[in-house]
Amino acid sequence: GQNIDQPTEMTATEGAIVQINCTYQTSGFNGLFWYQQHAGEAPTFLSYNVLDGLEEKGRFSSFLSRSKGYSYLLLKELQMKDSASYLCAVILQTGGGNKLTFGTGTQLKVEL
Amino acid sequence: DVKVTQSSRYLVKRTGEKVFLECVQDMDHENMFWYRQDPGLGLRLIYFSYDVKMKEKGDIPEGYSVSREKKERFSLILESASTNQTSMYLCASRSQGSGNTIYFGEGSWLTVV
Repeated sequence: GQNIDQPTEMTATEGAIVQINCTYQTSGFNGLFWYQQHAGEAPTFLSYNVLDGLEEKGRFSSFLSRSKGYSYLLLKELQMKDSASYLCAVILQTGGGNKLTFGTGTQLKVEL
Repeated sequence: DVKVTQSSRYLVKRTGEKVFLECVQDMDHENMFWYRQDPGLGLRLIYFSYDVKMKEKGDIPEGYSVSREKKERFSLILESASTNQTSMYLCASRSQGSGNTIYFGEGSWLTVV
């Protein structure tokens, strides 16, 4: 089985930095994704981690520690358009394929 | 350009009806997924498939079945729709290989009355 935990809501100020954490307890871990989802839209890809360490992509960075079952998404220079839900998703190797399971998401609100 | 197409954006069905939600991808992906999304519960995996005619249960398979007769098409079936299946359903596909991202369809909003 799997258990993926994220905070439900976060609020931050425009121009600031925010860190969204994700912890997981799984067997057969095979990678972790972060997705962004605006209300009424499909999720869009932000980052992927399979090895320990930090992956940086513009204003967004993602970190993974496999031994601790922990990841975070770091958003810098926050903009109002970053207000969205951020989804952590874990890939699990199953008997036949790869199961992709999402956490419940973190609703980020960016304020002036 | 990659494309995952869900045949219906908005449906209203009656309790007890059989409902088919169709999903087609044009990227020759091995893996396809069906999720439902409800407020406060996030994306929950119903079923997934890793090859033609191969399927595995996700986290909430009860009340649903799936069909994958062709590689490009993955259908979600509600044998007898109930009001608690009112939700937004998302189809997704992904190529085999750990680093490959998942592509989502636009979503199907199903209301069961």
